[in-house]
Amino acid sequence: DAGVIQSPRHEVTEMGQEVTLRCKPISGHNSLFWYRQTMMRGLELLIYFNNNVPIDDSGMPEDRFSAKMPNASFSTLKIQPSEPRDSAVYFCASTPGRNSNQPQHFGDGTRLSIL
Amino acid sequence: AQSVTQLDSHVSVSEGTPVLLRCNYSSSYSPSLFWYVQHPNKGLQLLLKYTSAATLVKGINGFEAEFKKSETSFHLTKPSAHMSDAAEYFCVVSDLGSSASKIIFGSGTRLSIRP
Repeated sequence: DAGVIQSPRHEVTEMGQEVTLRCKPISGHNSLFWYRQTMMRGLELLIYFNNNVPIDDSGMPEDRFSAKMPNASFSTLKIQPSEPRDSAVYFCASTPGRNSNQPQHFGDGTRLSIL
Repeated sequence: AQSVTQLDSHVSVSEGTPVLLRCNYSSSYSPSLFWYVQHPNKGLQLLLKYTSAATLVKGINGFEAEFKKSETSFHLTKPSAHMSDAAEYFCVVSDLGSSASKIIFGSGTRLSIRP
């Protein structure tokens, strides 16, 4: 069984550039989560989707960040324009449903460095 | 309001000795509680979960946790540490699916194992 797949694993780009992170959830999972992990702030939930619909985006830091889920097997997190403070590891996770008792399955993350 | 407090940022034990990682939580609802482990350059992996069934929960790799409502604690233990247990551990409280609809990660505890 393939787990959650994220791409790219590493991204280095200059500030001001557009960055797109990609995620493929586990087949059959209908909830998808985007997280950001930094030393200073730990692991933060940015947004989550259920059945491709955004449910809670209150964690999205600002308008430079946007996320989409055009279908059940693909999601993107976009930063435009990027800034050095966006440097972090971004994780995607999925669960079979929306209930609180379901554990999340995490991808291996995208390590983003903005110069 | 929800919160999670991991009481130790770093724990160091000798191989073969017991492990105790402490977690206190608060929630206005009846939350689900989880422990996840993160190895370097990897995503989080579920160790165990509590979802209002038995208060003593057994997980993978010999870990277990006890839910104590009176103490609002969910401490993680293992009788005998192994070198492969060295990693970062996260306590998580989830109200997803309720009207609160939040998931909160603790700040993490780094576990080191001395030979």
